Amino acid sequence: QLQLQESGPGLVKSSETLSLTCTVSGGSVSSSSYYWGWIRQSPGKGLEWIASIYYSGSTYYNPSLKSRVTISEDTSKNQFSLKLSSVTAADTAVYYCARLTPLRDFDYWGQGTLVTVSS
Amino acid sequence: QSALTQPASVSGSPGQSITISCTGTSSDVGGYKYVSWYQQNPGKAPKLMIYEVSNRPSGVSNRFSGSKSGTTASLTISGVQAEDEADYYCSSYTSRSTWVFGGGTKLTVL
Repeated sequence: QLQLQESGPGLVKSSETLSLTCTVSGGSVSSSSYYWGWIRQSPGKGLEWIASIYYSGSTYYNPSLKSRVTISEDTSKNQFSLKLSSVTAADTAVYYCARLTPLRDFDYWGQGTLVTVSS
Repeated sequence: QSALTQPASVSGSPGQSITISCTGTSSDVGGYKYVSWYQQNPGKAPKLMIYEVSNRPSGVSNRFSGSKSGTTASLTISGVQAEDEADYYCSSYTSRSTWVFGGGTKLTVL
């Protein structure tokens, strides 16, 4: 059974860089045809797609966040990561990592991790 | 990119059928078969309920069905049950090789 687990600081200071890692078990981030992605949910709000990375290494970003986001993968550790720079209070959210299938749906999700941006 | 449009809330009595709409554009919902639906219970991660417009993953009740007409996709729950009370989100792949979610719909079972 595939499992994903987010990890990283739960508190980040305003203007600094948020860094999260998703560790995949029961499967491989280098599995052909799959994407891996990050989605966030601000308190009481809806889901927002942030970024995805294809098994080949191609990356895709939400246009509204593109200038501040980097997604990457470490196949040796079976992980993929998110970096979001110049954070503000608006970036306070639960951040989820997920697997995307060739049919472009998010079929496995991590449990989510709350990141709070403090001033 | 703009979020897909969903009603903020829907409600139904047990046993009734309810439908949640998800309206996009020709660049997302209308242009691809890659529309999916997710159920989210409070404090939990979303769960995939429908993929590729109308397909159910293994283990999802056949009371859940999906369809699409033009730029609007729909999720129908037949014979709604108390356990179906949750937030529901649609998602679509887009022409810019990005993904977009709907704003979410809160289902209340009366």
